[in-house]
Amino acid sequence: DTGVSQDPRHKITKRGQNVTFRCDPISEHNRLYWYRQTLGQGPEFLTYFQNEAQLEKSRLLSDRFSAERPKGSFSTLEIQRTEQGDSAMYLCASSIVLAGATDTQYFGPGTRLTVL
Amino acid sequence: DAKTTQPNSMESNEEEPVHLPCNHSTISGTDYIHWYRQLPSQGPEYVIHGLTSNVNNRMASLAIAEDRKSSTLILHRATLRDAAVYYCILQIQGAQKLVFGQGTRLTINP
Repeated sequence: DTGVSQDPRHKITKRGQNVTFRCDPISEHNRLYWYRQTLGQGPEFLTYFQNEAQLEKSRLLSDRFSAERPKGSFSTLEIQRTEQGDSAMYLCASSIVLAGATDTQYFGPGTRLTVL
Repeated sequence: DAKTTQPNSMESNEEEPVHLPCNHSTISGTDYIHWYRQLPSQGPEYVIHGLTSNVNNRMASLAIAEDRKSSTLILHRATLRDAAVYYCILQIQGAQKLVFGQGTRLTINP
């Protein structure tokens, strides 16, 4: 089990450009989450998928943000027309939910985005 | 979202026990208490969780007050690698997202 992986680990882009991040969850985990973390703050929930269905989106997820999880495996998070306020660490987590159990999430190392 | 209150920072010495407190006075009967930690430049890492009874695992122990309005994460013998931000989170039954607060920044002195 290799854990949750994210690519790239770092991304520097200019304001107005589009960026896409990828997350590979732990194999057979049916839930996948995206969070965003700015400096000095705790992570903030953005969205989550159960298999390929996107079941919840935060109000933080403006219409410039889109996430997909085709075939219920890896996920991508795209930010269009980036703004300097998008600079943050983008974290992915996955979990497998068993009947009667709570949802323990396993996080990846994150993608650090810097918008110039 | 159910809220938790933690001290901003704590300091301890290597090889000593550490008790990290968390207040959650608005907890409801079905809320789980989760603890995650985040080492520098890494994603959060699951530590432990509980509902009503005290819990132990290889990383830590979780002591839950009888009225469930507070809990304490116990690191039995701190090492330098335990220096991290520790988050106490209430997860409402049936909810999926984790709502992180500011956490407690734990410093371990050699």
